Amino acid sequence: AAGVIQSPRHLIKEKRETATLKCYPIPRHDTVYWYQQGPGQDPQFLISFYEKMQSDKGSIPDRFSAQQFSDYHSELNMSSLELGDSALYFCASSDRGRGEKLFFGSGTQLSVL
Amino acid sequence: DQQVKQNSPSLSVQEGRISILNCDYTNSMFDYFLWYKKYPAEGPTFLISISSIKDKNEDGRFTVFLNKSAKHLSLHIVPSQPGDSAVYFCAASDQGSSNTGKLIFGQGTTLQVKP
Repeated sequence: AAGVIQSPRHLIKEKRETATLKCYPIPRHDTVYWYQQGPGQDPQFLISFYEKMQSDKGSIPDRFSAQQFSDYHSELNMSSLELGDSALYFCASSDRGRGEKLFFGSGTQLSVL
Repeated sequence: DQQVKQNSPSLSVQEGRISILNCDYTNSMFDYFLWYKKYPAEGPTFLISISSIKDKNEDGRFTVFLNKSAKHLSLHIVPSQPGDSAVYFCAASDQGSSNTGKLIFGQGTTLQVKP
């Protein structure tokens, strides 16, 4: 069965650079979630989209933005990167209309040097 | 403000024995609880869930118990197997009021099952 696809798997950037993370949800899932997991920490909710509209917002810095496109894939754009942005970024998708659980991708490991 | 807490960072059990992972929450609006399992370099994988209208849900070797009055849930794995060694995250959501599906995670418990 198709799963949530994230790209790239690994990304190395320098301070003040920008990064774009991509997420392709499971087909027919209508909701995408972004989470950030720092070293030794629990996944922190950043933002979610339902039917291409922003649905909920968590602890996402103003330097970050995200959107969901017409094909339901989502991109997380990160600008003016800081050392503290180094983390594992997970995308998850769900069929929210059915109240289903979240399915997670394998994550993008972002390292800011 | 940690709304979902897993106070045991790690747990070590012998193969064949029971593993009990605990989770506490503070938000009384949470009405749906899940356990996820995570291996290194992989995303969390759904394990089992429970709605607040139930106090127990069982799936094979995995059972989740919910005590709403104590705002406590636990995951029992019986019998434990070495392949169960992973990080286990407790998660909760408020499906009733907001229904955005957002999950709030605990800090995770690293389970090691020794052969």
